[in-house]
Amino acid sequence: QKEVEQDPGPLSVPEGAIVSLNCTYSNSAFQYFMWYRQYSRKGPELLMYTYSSGNKEDGRFTAQVDKSSKYISLFIRDSQPSDSATYLCAMGGLPQGAQKLVFGQGTRLTINP
Amino acid sequence: DAGITQSPRHKVTETGTPVTLRCHQTENHRYMYWYRQDPGHGLRLIHYSYGVKDTDKGEVSDGYSVSRSKTEDFLLTLESATSSQTSVYFCAISEGVQPQHFGDGTRLSIL
Repeated sequence: QKEVEQDPGPLSVPEGAIVSLNCTYSNSAFQYFMWYRQYSRKGPELLMYTYSSGNKEDGRFTAQVDKSSKYISLFIRDSQPSDSATYLCAMGGLPQGAQKLVFGQGTRLTINP
Repeated sequence: DAGITQSPRHKVTETGTPVTLRCHQTENHRYMYWYRQDPGHGLRLIHYSYGVKDTDKGEVSDGYSVSRSKTEDFLLTLESATSSQTSVYFCAISEGVQPQHFGDGTRLSIL
């Protein structure tokens, strides 16, 4: 079993829809949780970063962490065609903190106009 | 791109040849990383550095070596490239407990 599981998709939704992207993990030592967005032929770009359970909101994006269930989610409201990309979850824990991250394999998302 | 430059951006080479990829940062961050990205595997850590001349292995370090003689430069070397090392290679940097920021990658093809 992988330490971090992420549904690879692909996921295709109409413009304006609410998108939910999810990752589960097995290592209870994970404390740092990130979501990256990656456009084709580009490097991953940090979207959200949190180190606690609960919700964190930034514009149309909400990151949710449930440590008791070992489950994290990224919600995208009012999705736009420009949100079409691959989304990667990443997490890290003691002792290396945010230095040794484990990534999910990414979910490819397409927003259809 | 958080002041990260990877070179070359694309390279095609033959099995058995040595290859060196360069990562250059202008942020003066302490930590630097090399990852490879392959379909079905996501991003996997090859090596990372926590200071000049201080490096450690990652998940997939076999066949790779690294060097960091200056804060701003982190080199990844494939001593004798194999076809299984065909991949997209990403460099990342970070400081303290802050998240990592990535360069735009090097596409390496080994024929």
